[in-house]
Formats: sequence, structure tokens, C-alpha cells
Amino acid sequence: EVVLTQSPGTLSLSPGERATLSCRASETFLNYLAWYQQKPGQAPRLLIYGASNRATGIPDRFSGSGSGTDFTLTIRRLEPEDFAVYYCQQYGSSPFTFGPGTKVDIK
Amino acid sequence: QVHLQESGPGLVKPSETLSLTCNVSGYSINRGSYWGWIRQGPGKGLEWIGNIHGSGDTNYNPYLKSRVTFSVDSSRNQFSLRLTSVTAADTAVYFCARGEIGDYGSWGQGILVTVSS
Repeated sequence: EVVLTQSPGTLSLSPGERATLSCRASETFLNYLAWYQQKPGQAPRLLIYGASNRATGIPDRFSGSGSGTDFTLTIRRLEPEDFAVYYCQQYGSSPFTFGPGTKVDIK
Repeated sequence: QVHLQESGPGLVKPSETLSLTCNVSGYSINRGSYWGWIRQGPGKGLEWIGNIHGSGDTNYNPYLKSRVTFSVDSSRNQFSLRLTSVTAADTAVYFCARGEIGDYGSWGQGILVTVSS
């Protein structure tokens, strides 16, 4: 199976700063990569699909990039509501797998 | 707008079968999307259990394949999960979700299932 590694484990930033989250895969999988945001007690919310496509209703401060085995989620200027856990997921190779998550918390 | 809602028992005894249903509204389940089950253990990350297409085609996580079965009931616009021989390791919040492939844009709120005697 494709193993996803996310870094850093925790990112401590202030509102207004830029966040850069990394997701690295153990092998390629057709760039079918998604990013999700999850807040405590809530279901995950799809942010990005196909590595770089924003999901419906997602603000343009969120962007995804990358290909092959290295992918990045960038949050251009952190808003207070962006502090959460972010997961990457590949859905190009079965079984679909999730990364362990990156927590973005307030510095 | 599609809405998903999980239902089922919140407590299951070890070695018994966990059965959950996901009720879908605002979208016909046999329109062609993939309907997934994902779980999250206490304080842990997300684990993909598998997908079922509206046509009935299934794709299971090999780690659970021997114990899991999905089904679709088009007449009720719902799909279901059965997980047999549960242990404490199956304690988790179980989410149902809809995706174009495996990118899940719509999720239920999740249901906590505890395996305990």
C-alpha cells in the first residue's frame, strides 16, 4: 500500500502567517491526492482534490501543489478558523490511505 | 445538497457484529458516486475501510476485507456496513462519505462505536 508521511507533525504559527504542509508518498499514484481539514468533534472537510483543485466553497487562500511523490498544501494567510488538523489522502491506489496529519496550532 | 447520516448501535460486544447504516438525502445513491466508510480511533488518524459504488461494486481495505461487507439499498437511499468479530481495536468514530472516486466531498457527522462487554 502507499504510505503517506506528513511533515511537520505540528506547525505553530500566528494568524496572518503562511503555512506550508508537506505530504510525501512511498510510491506514485496518479496524483489522486486530497487534503482535508478536521476540527475537534467534526468530520473532515475536503479542501483539495487531484493535488491542486480546490473543492467547492474553499477559500482561495488554500492551494495544493505537487506531483509524483511530493505534495504541498499552502495556506496563504492563516485565519483564526484555519487552526486545525490537516490530512492528506491518496485515492489513486487501493487501499486508499491517509497521512498521519499535521496539526496547525496558534503560536 | 447531499446530506449523510450514520445510524446504529453505539455499543457492541467483543466477537459480535457491528452494523451501521448511512442514510443519504439530497442525492440519489445509484447516480454513480462512490460511497465510503472511514473510521477514526480515539485520538488517532483516519482509516479507510472501503468504498461501494451505487451499482454495488465494492472495494475493501485488505486489512479488514475478511470481516467487512458493504451493501446498498436503493429503495431507501442508504448504504450499510457490517463488520464481524469485532474487538476493542474496532472502537472508533465511523464516518460515511460520498466521493467522485475516493475524494470525499460530503461526510456524515460520524458515530462513535465502542466495543466493550
